[in-house]
Amino acid sequence: AQSVTQLDSHVSVSEGTPVLLRCNYSSSYSPSLFWYVQHPNKGLQLLLKYTSAATLVKGINGFEAEFKKSETSFHLTKPSAHMSDAAEYFCVVSDFKNDMRFGAGTRLTVKP
Amino acid sequence: DSGVTQTPKHLITATGQRVTLRCSPRSGDLSVYWYQQSLDQGLQFLIQYYNGEERAKGNILERFSAQQFPDLHSELNLSSLELGDSALYFCASSVAPGQGWDTQYFGPGTRLTVL
Repeated sequence: AQSVTQLDSHVSVSEGTPVLLRCNYSSSYSPSLFWYVQHPNKGLQLLLKYTSAATLVKGINGFEAEFKKSETSFHLTKPSAHMSDAAEYFCVVSDFKNDMRFGAGTRLTVKP
Repeated sequence: DSGVTQTPKHLITATGQRVTLRCSPRSGDLSVYWYQQSLDQGLQFLIQYYNGEERAKGNILERFSAQQFPDLHSELNLSSLELGDSALYFCASSVAPGQGWDTQYFGPGTRLTVL
């Protein structure tokens, strides 16, 4: 069985400062990992995905994530937060059967 | 805009009733997935269809069923509704049957309120 744990339910940063959203996963197989963002009253949008190619994955809107197998982590980072980044972020793990497991989500607040 | 459409946007109904949620996938996508998002359970995978056939099953209740039609749109049927079924229901689509690395594109969701 696979699972994903998002270590922070809420992260608050000031505009212009770095963002770090933490995600640990558990999987019996070589997993695919995704980060999705959900803005209020909107559907989920794919930020980036890891599928066993480069361990540092670049996504949209300046976000990137690094796959660290030894630490079973896939943390999401951004060098400088924007007000528009305020949203809910979901880390997702998927196996070869496409059984996607979502983390509980991390709510990112960006202060002016 | 992901290209996935869902109707209706909002649905309010009473306990014991039956509703149907509709999803149209992105053009060219053959797989459709249904998810439920609630405050207490988070985001849960319900079921997947690929080219008209059930492909994978998640935490879907027996009171719920789904199907995918020849034109690839999908419907999620929820019956004998309970208060706890109130949630946001998302549909997603992808090109392939799902090999773990297949990107899913999500629709805007249908908010179901059971009174």
